[in-house]
Amino acid sequence: GAGVSQSPRYKVAKRGQDVALRCDPISGHVSLFWYQQALGQGPEFLTYFQNEAQLDKSGLPSDRFFAERPEGSVSTLKIQRTQQEDSAVYLCASSPITQREHSNQPQHFGDGTRLSIL
Amino acid sequence: GQQVMQIPQYQHVQEGEDFTTYCNSSTTLSNIQWYKQRPGGHPVFLIQLVKSGEVKKQKRLTFQFGEAKKNSSLHITATQTTDVGTYFCAGTGSGTSYGKLTFGQGTILTVHP
Repeated sequence: GAGVSQSPRYKVAKRGQDVALRCDPISGHVSLFWYQQALGQGPEFLTYFQNEAQLDKSGLPSDRFFAERPEGSVSTLKIQRTQQEDSAVYLCASSPITQREHSNQPQHFGDGTRLSIL
Repeated sequence: GQQVMQIPQYQHVQEGEDFTTYCNSSTTLSNIQWYKQRPGGHPVFLIQLVKSGEVKKQKRLTFQFGEAKKNSSLHITATQTTDVGTYFCAGTGSGTSYGKLTFGQGTILTVHP
């Protein structure tokens, strides 16, 4: 399959631990987004990459959240000193070209990582 | 910041009945996208609307974008059990440097056979 791949699918961590979530976008996709989806809610934007450049990180809830995409393909979302309110599904989405306001492209989502903080 | 509200939150219908979900933005949108998320699945793109007053159809689904580009709707005619899932609208605000999407909270559709 050539879809967006995320790992792990499920992650359980104790409060205070660090976690790393991985996203493999569709090959060649320029744009990559991370979202946080709480139960019963829509995805909430976290951050956006255009190739390796992080152009928008305004949605990251705190400085405990960090994302990178060093070679413009795979991306990692890291959460340090996890807290219970971090429990959610973290979705990654990619898009083939640079997003523009007036020529927005469909985003292709992965199955997400369900993070549970105990 | 931009807010996108969606109603109703839940909708239960009998198979064969129609269904409509409504999406309202606090600000004017450049475009709006609709996604469907099956239980346990991920959002899947359905359609994008760009022009004021635009109407698009996909088989039994009809999508509309308001004249003021602040609201949108999705109407399903004669629902089927395969229509079950959560329907999200997602808007891109005017003046953004790229196509950042703000999602509504979704409408959960249940279809009883």
